Amino acid sequence: QSVLTQPPSVSAAPGQKVTISCSGSSSNIGNNYVSWFQQLPGTAPKLLIYDNNKRPSGIPDRFSGSKSGTSATMGITGLQTGDEADYYCGTWDSSLSVLVFGGGTKLTVL
Amino acid sequence: QVQLVDSGGGVVQPGRSLRLSCAASGFPFSSFAMHWVRQAPGKGLEWVADISFDGGNKFYADSVKGRFTISRDNSKNTLYLQMNSLRTDDTAVYYCARGSAIAVADLDYWGQGTLVTVSS
Repeated sequence: QSVLTQPPSVSAAPGQKVTISCSGSSSNIGNNYVSWFQQLPGTAPKLLIYDNNKRPSGIPDRFSGSKSGTSATMGITGLQTGDEADYYCGTWDSSLSVLVFGGGTKLTVL
Repeated sequence: QVQLVDSGGGVVQPGRSLRLSCAASGFPFSSFAMHWVRQAPGKGLEWVADISFDGGNKFYADSVKGRFTISRDNSKNTLYLQMNSLRTDDTAVYYCARGSAIAVADLDYWGQGTLVTVSS
């Protein structure tokens, strides 16, 4: 059971928009920055969003992040088949003194 | 360019030890915190440990505390994970990742991973 809760799967058609939620508590999301990672099949995770809503260099603006209270959301617009991957949220938990990840969400582009 | 190369994985019997390495290049290694993250077959990401830029501070997941030790050699630009008393549930791909001074979860570069299989 992960400390951060994500939906196991989401799906949408090419060109559409999808959002992935990440729910936590005041000890993690509520008081720390959230990151999002993309893991394409058979590859290492890749940082997509950091500090709640910032994109590293090279990440297209189709990817966005936001945070409100103890929940965070990542959005992807203009879906492409190449976006099919597992997506994870992550943040520091100040009470546990550990970095925690969500259980991951599998995105299917229909 | 930033590069992290994980190595040292393999097949090991329960109760034995293994040391993983992560060779870093393309950035000032001694200025960055570093992490180990693992992923069991078919499962999600699990953070294992991190170490501050100078090695002075270390944090561990409860699942590995007392068995695993994270360390670094800044003169060799290398991160290590000493894994003792290995258990079958330690079987996973282990990734090293570069941390940030701003937020702990900003893991901006990852190694390719090294597979550790604990089996008799």
